[in-house]
Amino acid sequence: QKEVEQDPGPLSVPEGAIVSLNCTYSNSAFQYFMWYRQYSRKGPELLMYTYSSGNKEDGRFTAQVDKSSKYISLFIRDSQPSDSATYLCAMSDAGGTSYGKLTFGQGTILTVHP
Amino acid sequence: DSGVTQTPKHLITATGQRVTLRCSPRSGDLSVYWYQQSLDQGLQFLIQYYNGEERAKGNILERFSAQQFPDLHSELNLSSLELGDSALYFCASSAIAGRTDTQYFGPGTRLTVL
Repeated sequence: QKEVEQDPGPLSVPEGAIVSLNCTYSNSAFQYFMWYRQYSRKGPELLMYTYSSGNKEDGRFTAQVDKSSKYISLFIRDSQPSDSATYLCAMSDAGGTSYGKLTFGQGTILTVHP
Repeated sequence: DSGVTQTPKHLITATGQRVTLRCSPRSGDLSVYWYQQSLDQGLQFLIQYYNGEERAKGNILERFSAQQFPDLHSELNLSSLELGDSALYFCASSAIAGRTDTQYFGPGTRLTVL
């Protein structure tokens, strides 16, 4: 079983929809939680970063972390065609022995159609 | 543009050969991470260097090696290449070892082994 599980989709939604992306994990040592966006043939781009549990909002994006359930989410409001990409969750127990090494989910392919 | 540069963008080579991938971190970043992205395994951590020293190792094959030079650029050497080594190789950098919130990815090198 992988340390981080993420439904690869694909997920197709109409423009303006609310998108919900999720990951579950098994390593209780994870403290840092990130969401990256990756366009085709490009490097991952950091979208959201959260430490421990709680919510974080940045424009149309909201990240939620529930450490008790080992579950993280990313919500995209008013989705746009330009949001079409692969979304990767990533986690780290930096501060331990990993020195910032990220463990990624498989990525969810999102398409927002006009 | 993340500020992390990687060369070359594409590499096509034959089985058994050796290649070198190069990464220049963002200005001021001391830590360099190497990741491999393949369709079946997703994005996986290979190795991390901080200010010239190896800090953490992931699932890096013995045929692969890396180093970070005094000017902080890093090279990933892949030898005795196999078909299964075909993948995207990403470099990421951060200012301080363990600071995952500032881990920026380069555009990647696409390696094709024929």
